[in-house]
Amino acid sequence: GAVVSQHPSRVICKSGTSVKIECRSLDFQATTMFWYRQFPKQSLMLMATSNEGSKATYEQGVEKDKFLINHASLTLSTLTVTSAHPEDSSFYICSARDPKTGDFQPQHFGDGTRLSIL
Amino acid sequence: KQEVTQIPAALSVPEGENLVLNCSFTDSAIYNLQWFRQDPGKGLTSLLLIQSSQREQTSGRLNASLDKSSGRSTLYIAASQPGDSATYLCAVQDSGYALNFGKGTSLLVTP
Repeated sequence: GAVVSQHPSRVICKSGTSVKIECRSLDFQATTMFWYRQFPKQSLMLMATSNEGSKATYEQGVEKDKFLINHASLTLSTLTVTSAHPEDSSFYICSARDPKTGDFQPQHFGDGTRLSIL
Repeated sequence: KQEVTQIPAALSVPEGENLVLNCSFTDSAIYNLQWFRQDPGKGLTSLLLIQSSQREQTSGRLNASLDKSSGRSTLYIAASQPGDSATYLCAVQDSGYALNFGKGTSLLVTP
């Protein structure tokens, strides 16, 4: 079946560091990918929608200059957390949509990235 | 904006019991509804997807129902096992393709 690979699975770094997270669709071309964030004991919240070849669409309250999204190819979207601070510590997870399967089919999720900023 | 609510937030049951998890959503104009399982510190495992035109889906000991008009879904787990312990998330997909998640129900099945 369709697989989405997310890397790295865990990051621990110092405050002020920029962190890049990759999301790859392994056996389909994903024109649209989604980035979610989950704080402890909270729901997954959509951060942004990543569209191949165009600018990402960010949800209200998400700083586009802090969370840089690049979707330069049909199989790769990256999320860069710039100058990360402890409050950015969270679980980040991506999903991808296979446009060939139609509007009613499930998206495919990566395994997520646990980001801890010291 | 779509709001998804899950009740209860946490549930503890002895092994073997049948149980029901509830999900409600505010906007009935959905494409589909999915139930996921999330183990601590892990990603999501898709359990069942119900399309907007469907009423229920079954997979093994799991049965999910959907009443779109009332904005409700239930996940029924039969003969619960300790391995079922996890957080169960309900998510609805609307026209924007992104998923709107509830906060989840944390389930503990004790031996």
